[in-house]
Amino acid sequence: SQQGEEDPQALSIQEGENATMNCSYKTSINNLQWYRQNSGRGLVHLILIRSNEREKHSGRLRVTLDTSKKSSSLLITASRAADTASYFCATMDTGRRALTFGSGTRLQVQP
Amino acid sequence: SAVISQKPSRDICQRGTSLTIQCQVDSQVTMMFWYRQQPGQSLTLIATANQGSEATYESGFVIDKFPISRPNLTFSTLTVSNMSPEDSSIYLCSVEGGGASNYGYTFGSGTRLTVV
Repeated sequence: SQQGEEDPQALSIQEGENATMNCSYKTSINNLQWYRQNSGRGLVHLILIRSNEREKHSGRLRVTLDTSKKSSSLLITASRAADTASYFCATMDTGRRALTFGSGTRLQVQP
Repeated sequence: SAVISQKPSRDICQRGTSLTIQCQVDSQVTMMFWYRQQPGQSLTLIATANQGSEATYESGFVIDKFPISRPNLTFSTLTVSNMSPEDSSIYLCSVEGGGASNYGYTFGSGTRLTVV
């Protein structure tokens, strides 16, 4: 079943701008992960944040996690046309090994 | 990190027929996961496949429709049986490990299935 919602559903920005995507979930989690999918192909893992962490950085990516609000955000700084893709949050719920995915955000970066 | 070879990458099938999708992993893994992604939608877990035991199916998915084999720790197949147009989706397999931090999951490249 779908874990939760992501917003916005679609986002269009200019190259060089920052993109922020939000994710909400409903259950108790071990960690939350973000993935990118290009053109309906396989998913690429971007970053993982554990339930006891509040913020994590990796290159141009910054992810935050607020377990009290059951929400996370992904910030992509200085976006590039190559960042155009769909982005999904996914949770590893407590007691499970499989991931539960959010609804996704389609990001379009205009050159 | 794990590398997954998933076949076929796409297929167009007649309704009422079956298609078997294969995933080969370059290392031994305990669990393999099968997901469905309907057009324009997110990923939904179909089942978890452990070697040596029957797969565990999620609510809404049944073994008769989606039989899974897991003969060893590096290979699994998912069959979509008695297909209808509603089965048109991308099907993906996944294993733990790999990814940016080596704690994420690795996905196959997906099988795009169209049922006509």
